Amino acid sequence: QSALTQPRSVSGSPGQSVTISCTGTSSDVGGYNYVSWYQQHPGKAPKLMIYDVSKRPSGVPDRFSGSKSGNTASLTISGLQAEDEADYYCCSYAGSYTVFGGGTKLTVL
Amino acid sequence: EVQLVQSGAEVKKPGESLKISCKGSGYSFTSYWIGWVRQMPGKGLEWMGIIYPGDSDTRYSPSFQGQVTISADKSISTAYLQWSSLKASDTAMYYCARHASMVTPFDYWGQGTLVTVSS
Repeated sequence: QSALTQPRSVSGSPGQSVTISCTGTSSDVGGYNYVSWYQQHPGKAPKLMIYDVSKRPSGVPDRFSGSKSGNTASLTISGLQAEDEADYYCCSYAGSYTVFGGGTKLTVL
Repeated sequence: EVQLVQSGAEVKKPGESLKISCKGSGYSFTSYWIGWVRQMPGKGLEWMGIIYPGDSDTRYSPSFQGQVTISADKSISTAYLQWSSLKASDTAMYYCARHASMVTPFDYWGQGTLVTVSS
């Protein structure tokens, strides 16, 4: 199975919005509404930010939102803050296993 | 409080065997899947496989099938990831994480175990 495709990096200034895409196939992203997004700061374990395409766990700011169209899922972070600078990974159920995206480094300028 | 506590860092030589652990607490260990995720140095997350400690049902990523073995001992609420013959390319951080079912996300993660394989 192949990793989901994410841009290697995105950037934005504080207060702006950024969107990270995650492209898969009809066998993973497009086939199920089970896309999740994780944030990982350097040296730390990943943290769940979005699940089931667009749901936010308790405690995650509503600046984080998710969506999906066809085989592509997206994570949008609005009102960028310095602490949002991190790596972001999408993840999708793919039938008998789960697949991650390659990761996107978000830089807050 | 839900916690997943992993065993400490390991330094091994190529060809050696290794078993690392992940101990769950603060929840019913037999009612949640435990997954293992690899992160090679400077690289992304890779889903390796999962186990349901309640009945030891185990699933592997095709990329890791036959390369590692996932097991669990529900009597001590601990899941394991093991290698019979390590390679230098196994050098990575390994995370365990919990999820309620195959389609739910990983909601709690261990702190990671760094495995270094070098001659």
